[in-house]
Amino acid sequence: QQQVKQSPQSLIVQKGGISIINCAYENTAFDYFPWYQQFPGKGPALLIAIRPDVSEKKEGRFTISFNKSAKQFSLHIMDSQPGDSATYFCAASGMNQGAQKLVFGQGTRLTINP
Amino acid sequence: DSGVTQTPKHLITATGQRVTLRCSPRSGDLSVYWYQQSLDQGLQFLIQYYNGEERAKGNILERFSAQQFPDLHSELNLSSLELGDSALYFCASSRAPSEKLFFGSGTQLSVL
Repeated sequence: QQQVKQSPQSLIVQKGGISIINCAYENTAFDYFPWYQQFPGKGPALLIAIRPDVSEKKEGRFTISFNKSAKQFSLHIMDSQPGDSATYFCAASGMNQGAQKLVFGQGTRLTINP
Repeated sequence: DSGVTQTPKHLITATGQRVTLRCSPRSGDLSVYWYQQSLDQGLQFLIQYYNGEERAKGNILERFSAQQFPDLHSELNLSSLELGDSALYFCASSRAPSEKLFFGSGTQLSVL
C-alpha cells in the first residue's frame, strides 16, 4: 500500500512534443504529490507539486494532472526541449506527526531528440 | 546548487567495514532526511531528523544509524558493510517537516 507505480520506464519524445509520465498510488492517506527531476551526477530537484484539493497545477511548461478517485497523477511537459532530458520521479507522502516520508516511483528516463 | 552539502562525493570500501557520510543542510533548514538510491530499489527513505530529534524511520537497516547534531549537520553511519549496500546516498533538508525538500548531490558508496 506504500507503493507508487510509475510508467513508462523510458520515453523518447521529439523536440517540441508533449512528454507524459504517469503514476498511480494506493495509500489514500497520501496528501502531497511532488515530481522531481534528476540529472546525472545530481540529486533530485523539485519540479512541481500538487495537493489533492485541486485537479491540475501548471507551472510554465510543466503541468500535473491529478485524479483523486482513480488515485492517479501525471506530469505533462509541453514543448519538450533537449534540456528536459533527465530522469523524472513522481512521489507521494502524507504528513504524520511531523514526519514527511516521500515514497518515490521507479523513475522515467526521458530523452528529447533534437 | 541546492545548498545541501554532502561529503564525501565518492567512497570505496570493503565488506565488513564502517563508514560515515556527512550532510550539511541548507542554512536555516531544521529537518534533515536520508535516502538511498539503487538500481533495483530506486529511491528509498531511510530516516528523518528535525532539530536534533528523530522524526521518522523508513527502510533503514539495523546496521545503519544516523544523528543530527546541535549545529544541524547530520551523519549517516553504515557498519558491517555488505556488497548490497553499494548505492547512492542522498541527504535532503527542509525548513520544516511539511515544506519542500532540497537534495544534495549524494555520496556514491561502493563496497568491494
